[in-house]
Amino acid sequence: EPEVTQTPSHQVTQMGQEVILRCVPISNHLYFYWYRQILGQKVEFLVSFYNNEISEKSEIFDDQFSVERPDGSNFTLKIRSTKLEDSAMYFCASRSDVGADGYTFGSGTRLTVV
Amino acid sequence: AQSVTQLGSHVSVSEGALVLLRCNYSSSVPPYLFWYVQYPNQGLQLLLKYTSAATLVKGINGFEAEFKKSETSFHLTKPSAHMSDAAEYFCAVSGNTGNQFYFGTGTSLTVIP
Repeated sequence: EPEVTQTPSHQVTQMGQEVILRCVPISNHLYFYWYRQILGQKVEFLVSFYNNEISEKSEIFDDQFSVERPDGSNFTLKIRSTKLEDSAMYFCASRSDVGADGYTFGSGTRLTVV
Repeated sequence: AQSVTQLGSHVSVSEGALVLLRCNYSSSVPPYLFWYVQYPNQGLQLLLKYTSAATLVKGINGFEAEFKKSETSFHLTKPSAHMSDAAEYFCAVSGNTGNQFYFGTGTSLTVIP
């Protein structure tokens, strides 16, 4: 069964450093997403991406965050200057179409900012 | 706007007992509703979805959920719990043209031998 692949599974970074979280969505999917889950809290929407541009973003997704699909297969989330409160599990998801389709989620990247 | 409320952050059941995980939704448009399961150290796996067809939806691993518009509910059930069902369960909603999903806070299911 097709999978969404995320790397790395766990990343530790120092506060103020830049991090890039990588995702390979399912190949025929058109819509791509990043969500995050702070430990013990709900899964929160960050951003959606379609047709090589951001289609929606949440208040969490401020200027410190950016997304890119550099080569038609990878979908990356960059955090420019990490803060302690960015520590969370970050999930990438993709879907073939909006509406009735569910997302296919990756297994997540646990980001720890120290 | 859409949102979901999951009643009970922790639910414990005995092996073989009925599992009932509650989800109530709020939506200004006809909703699409989803249940996801998260096993330890894993991602979110789709259990089942409601997309305005049959109100009783069957999913994987013997789970099912019933959409009740009058109660704005989409509770998840399984007749007989198995040890392997221990996980975190998330209810989510999106609008019928929606892009973004709104997740509940999750319910942690413990199955007691």
